[in-house]
Amino acid sequence: SAVISQKPSRDICQRGTSLTIQCQVDSQVTMMFWYRQQPGQSLTLIATANQGSEATYESGFVIDKFPISRPNLTFSTLTVSNLSPEDSSIYLCSVEVGQEREKLFFGSGTQLSVL
Amino acid sequence: QKEVEQNSGPLSVPEGAIASLNCTYSDRVSQSFFWYRQYSGKSPELIMSIYSNGDKEDGRFTAQLNKASQYVSLLIRDSQPSDSATYLCAVSTGRRALTFGSGTRLQVQP
Repeated sequence: SAVISQKPSRDICQRGTSLTIQCQVDSQVTMMFWYRQQPGQSLTLIATANQGSEATYESGFVIDKFPISRPNLTFSTLTVSNLSPEDSSIYLCSVEVGQEREKLFFGSGTQLSVL
Repeated sequence: QKEVEQNSGPLSVPEGAIASLNCTYSDRVSQSFFWYRQYSGKSPELIMSIYSNGDKEDGRFTAQLNKASQYVSLLIRDSQPSDSATYLCAVSTGRRALTFGSGTRLQVQP
């Protein structure tokens, strides 16, 4: 596995502002994934972030609302822009680690509440 | 139709019993299957992976896969109160990001 540090762990934000979430991994990884988990729901993939290329967004998620940076193989940020109460959710970064394919490990998550 | 379906539960079993958690998926080309455990307020934790038809055992956990029926299950033997959590089934669609089911909440009664 890997140690995946995610910051902040929680935040309360005002409507219309933005929040940037950081994800730091203790080893180099090719692909990082950002998921959202709305209250009582399962995980929904927002985007896949590869180092050196633009993130790939899933249907229903757009770059203007969820800009992602991936400056190197150990770090990524997700920004949630122009916040509304509907963005209140847990945001999780995850990485694929190890030789066995497609195993994902998750950061501790960021709980966002929008007032 | 959801891509990965699970009964939301709660599934309640007495301590020491076998808990059986089920999952169906819609994409026939899915190759990799995972079970995650998520305690309340925590992030998902990988507990089992399975890639081939049949059973795979790891301690008290057994994952079962039937690709013809598009069905994957997780058995937890000798269930403990500490097993009480939400169990998420996840499927790889070949794009290396996983698709998750909505999870089954398991309650193990002491």
